[in-house]
Formats: sequence, C-alpha cells, structure tokens
Amino acid sequence: AQKVTQAQTEISVVEKEDVTLDCVYETRDTTYYLFWYKQPPSGELVFLIRRNSFDEQNEISGRYSWNFQKSTSSFNFTITASQVVDSAVYFCALSDPTGNQFYFGTGTSLTVIP
Amino acid sequence: EAQVTQNPRYLITVTGKKLTVTCSQNMNHEYMSWYRQDPGLGLRQIYYSMNVEVTDKGDVPEGYKVSRKEKRNFPLILESPSPNQTSLYFCASSFGQGSYGYTFGSGTRLTVV
Repeated sequence: AQKVTQAQTEISVVEKEDVTLDCVYETRDTTYYLFWYKQPPSGELVFLIRRNSFDEQNEISGRYSWNFQKSTSSFNFTITASQVVDSAVYFCALSDPTGNQFYFGTGTSLTVIP
Repeated sequence: EAQVTQNPRYLITVTGKKLTVTCSQNMNHEYMSWYRQDPGLGLRQIYYSMNVEVTDKGDVPEGYKVSRKEKRNFPLILESPSPNQTSLYFCASSFGQGSYGYTFGSGTRLTVV
C-alpha cells in the first residue's frame, strides 16, 4: 500500500536558519511521482515541485532544495536562510504510476520566528 | 487568470440535506480531483476524473458522488451529508494526469450539524 509519512508535525526556526522537512514514502510501484505543496496561513495549496521515480537528481530553486533518495525512500525539502514568509504547512505527496491516485502526508507546520 | 473556482467558500448545513459543491477550471485541464483536509490526516483523495464522463474513486469515496459532464466542471455531491463529512474540501485540476502537478481551488469549508 502507498503511504507518505511526515514525522515532523511542527517545526519552529528563527529567521535565517536553515530547516529540513522530512518525507518518507512507501510504494510497491517502480514508477511513481513525488510532490511538495505549500499551504500558507491563507489556506490555498501551492505546487512547489514534482519529481518522477527515475530522476534522483537533487533540485535547487532559489532558497529551496530537494533531496530525493530512493535507497531510503525519502524526498526531503530544505529551506535555506528561512524567512517569515516561509511559515506554512508543507505537504509531501506520492502518486501512482498513472498519476491518478494520490497520497498525501499529514503535513509539517513550519513557523519562522522573526 | 488561470484558476480553479470552488463555490461556496463556506457552507453550514443540516444532516441529510443534499448539497453540491461546484468546481470549475478555465485551463482546459483533462484531470480533476476532489480532496478533503482534516486535522492530523492531511489531504485525502475522494474522487478523480481523467476526462469527460471518466471518473473513479480515490481513498475516501463513501458518502460522495461526482460527475464530469463537461471538461471544465467537476461538482462534488453529498446526497445525505453527515457530521463526519464536516471538513475542508479542495478541488484540483491538472494538465494531462495529476502527475504534472495540481492547481488547487481556494477550498470549501463545510460544516454539517
């Protein structure tokens, strides 16, 4: 069965600190997709990144970076030099090979303290 | 502006009174899906649709119905709402399959008393 675990329920950091959000997934599929979404206090859900199971290259986008390791079934998200605007709930998600069925983690609530 | 529009944003209803939450997208996306978000449970998929007249169950379909008669619209129907369906609901759409990444609607907060 597919499952996504985000063990960190809440994290608080002081502005400018780096923070890593953990995501561990379970799947029997060899093809799958992994995602991160951000939900700021306003409530909308914002797509951050998509990664397919055959692409283990790490990705960097500004202060955001993602580390995908199939050996440990992890897809961790690092924010460098955190800012108050990064305060949000972050969800990791896994989809099946068709991209039709999705499984979200329970989310990590990040608070960046000024 | 490319968007997914849900209505209403807030709804309070009584047990057993049928209701429909509408969802419309203006991006010509083939794929649409409904989720519910509950504290401590994250988002759980209710139904999804790969295209017009093609729908399938997600993880938690019990108590819900959907239809996809037009590409742009994907309404969520609760024929006989119960208090355990009190939740925050999100509609999402995607180009092709959901694996391309979703655009989400703003959410509908439903309370069933």
